[in-house]
Amino acid sequence: GQSLEQPSEVTAVEGAIVQINCTYQTSGFYGLSWYQQHDGGAPTFLSYNALDGLEETGRFSSFLSRSDSYGYLLLQELQMKDSASYFCAVDGQNFVFGPGTRLSVLP
Amino acid sequence: GAVVSQHPSWVICKSGTSVKIECRSLDFQATTMFWYRQFPKQSLMLMATSNEGSKATYEQGVEKDKFLINHASLTLSTLTVTSAHPEDSSFYICSARTGSNTEAFFGQGTRLTVV
Repeated sequence: GQSLEQPSEVTAVEGAIVQINCTYQTSGFYGLSWYQQHDGGAPTFLSYNALDGLEETGRFSSFLSRSDSYGYLLLQELQMKDSASYFCAVDGQNFVFGPGTRLSVLP
Repeated sequence: GAVVSQHPSWVICKSGTSVKIECRSLDFQATTMFWYRQFPKQSLMLMATSNEGSKATYEQGVEKDKFLINHASLTLSTLTVTSAHPEDSSFYICSARTGSNTEAFFGQGTRLTVV
């Protein structure tokens, strides 16, 4: 089976940097994805890491270590609009989501 | 990016009736589609995985006779909630992708309310 762990909540102020960690257990692994979801909306894709290392896309970066079954999402220069839930998802036997991390950005 | 269209966006139905939700990939062929269910302030729980032309694979605890999934073409999958009850009220979301090792694209979701 597949299981993932994430912190349930994170709070930070505008302009700060936040790292959201994700650890996973899976049988079969293709990659780790990150999604953002605002209340009432559908998840939107942020990143997909298939190989070890850091991938940067604008203010967001995502890291993967396959040997450690670990990844993180790094959000820089936080803005109020970044307040949302962030989910990691394992692309393995199935496409399974973690429990989600609720990020609150304060002024 | 690729677009996945899900309809309806919301539906209210009476207990005992059936509701069909459609998920279409508009500009790509989706070999695999996933159906999720999400309760308020919780994560997306995978219900089933469907591959075009074959029977869906249901997750443990999901009743396949209650949640009927059909993936008849590379661009369309449907989820039918049969004999709906108030406890089936939830947010249902589909996603689609072209194969493994690729990102999944999500529909807009369907908010089902059973009264």
